[in-house]
Amino acid sequence: GQNIDQPTEMTATEGAIVQINCTYQTSGFNGLFWYQQHAGEAPTFLSYNVLDGLEEKGRFSSFLSRSKGYSYLLLKELQMKDSASYLCAVRDGSGNTGKLIFGQGTTLQVKP
Amino acid sequence: KAGVTQTPRYLIKTRGQQVTLSCSPISGHRSVSWYQQTPGQGLQFLFEYFSETQRNKGNFPGRFSGRQFSNSRSEMNVSTLELGDSALYLCASSLARDRGEKLFFGSGTQLSVL
Repeated sequence: GQNIDQPTEMTATEGAIVQINCTYQTSGFNGLFWYQQHAGEAPTFLSYNVLDGLEEKGRFSSFLSRSKGYSYLLLKELQMKDSASYLCAVRDGSGNTGKLIFGQGTTLQVKP
Repeated sequence: KAGVTQTPRYLIKTRGQQVTLSCSPISGHRSVSWYQQTPGQGLQFLFEYFSETQRNKGNFPGRFSGRQFSNSRSEMNVSTLELGDSALYLCASSLARDRGEKLFFGSGTQLSVL
């Protein structure tokens, strides 16, 4: 079956670093996405990994290991505005399909 | 460039009624996907339309249907509403051209079924 797991909640301190893990078991794999969703707002794209390794984009980095079915999102220099839900999603079908399989999301609370 | 627009933003219906939700994708985007988001289940894929054809479908009952028009705008219909259909319905569009195409989401329609 299709399964994507991520922690439900995490708490971190402003200025710190936090790592949000995601493990997946899907019938196919054509890339892994991370989205950020603030309460009452649309999910917004953060990162995309299709090859093993680390992708860095400013304060955000995402890592992928296809052999382990594992990814993480690393947030550095946390700010209060980073308090949001972080969604891990896998594209298991053809490369450009709009069908993604999402995890339940990790709610991150950043405290002063 | 305007983002993905969904209307209405909020909707209240009663059991047994039907509802139609609308989504206008980003200009030039030919793929429109629909997702249901609930606190217990997260985001679940409903269906995807590309060039007016449904090309992917999730595991939802036949009460959930959709269509796409020639201008790529899409509508989603839910008939015979049930209490469990209360959710945030999100629409996402993409160019659907390359492997790494990301989805752009609208703010959603919050549906409450009483």
